[in-house]
Amino acid sequence: DTAVSQTPKYLVTQMGNDKSIKCEQNLGHDTMYWYKQDSKKFLKIMFSYNNKELIINETVPNRFSPKSPDKAHLNLHINSLELGDSAVYFCASSQGGGQGNGYTFGSGTRLTVV
Amino acid sequence: SQKIEQNSEALNIQEGKTATLTCNYTNYSPAYLQWYRQDPGRGPVFLLLIRENEKEKRKERLKVTFDTTLKQSLFHITASQPADSATYLCALDSSSNTGKLIFGQGTTLQVKP
Repeated sequence: DTAVSQTPKYLVTQMGNDKSIKCEQNLGHDTMYWYKQDSKKFLKIMFSYNNKELIINETVPNRFSPKSPDKAHLNLHINSLELGDSAVYFCASSQGGGQGNGYTFGSGTRLTVV
Repeated sequence: SQKIEQNSEALNIQEGKTATLTCNYTNYSPAYLQWYRQDPGRGPVFLLLIRENEKEKRKERLKVTFDTTLKQSLFHITASQPADSATYLCALDSSSNTGKLIFGQGTTLQVKP
C-alpha cells in the first residue's frame, strides 16, 4: 500500500491551461502539505492543511488553489499555467504539524508547461 | 536574512569510509532539525529527527549532531556503502505553531566501491 500517493506522475500541458494534481494519504495523518521542487532542487513549501483547515499559505500566486475535501486528501489546482510553473510538486503528510514528526512524501508530479 | 546552507558540491567518498555532511543555518531558532534522503525521481524519505535539547542521535549507521550555538548539524554515515549514494536534505522548523519545515538545498553523496 502506498502511504502518500499523487496522480498524475507526469503532466505535460500548454501555457494557459488549468490542471489539477491529486494527493491521498492512508497513514491517518492530520496534516498535509504541498511542496514545489525547482530545477535547482530546492524544496519550497506552498500550502499546509491540518484537518481540512488551511494553516500555511506561502507567497504563492493565487492561480494555485489547494482543496482538502477531508483530512486524507489534498488536491492542488493550478489556473492559467505559466512556463515558470514547470517543476516537481510533492505532496506530504505528517502527524501533528508542530511536533517534529517526520514527513512522508509522495513520489512527486513532474509538471512541464510548454 | 534566514538561510539554511548545505554543501552544494557533491561529496565523493570510498566505500567503508565515514561520510560527513554539514547543515548550517542563520536567523532561525529551530526546536528540531530533520534529515531526509532523496533518490533521483523519488520523494524525500525521513531519516532522523534531533531536538534542540539533544546533542546527538543515532540510528544504525547514521549519526546526527545538533549544535545550537554554532547553528549547525552534522550528519554522519559510518561504514558507507554504494547504496548510500543519494542526496541528503536537512530541514528545520521555522514556526513552532505550524511546524513549517524549511529545507536546505541538499548535498549529493557518491560512495564509490
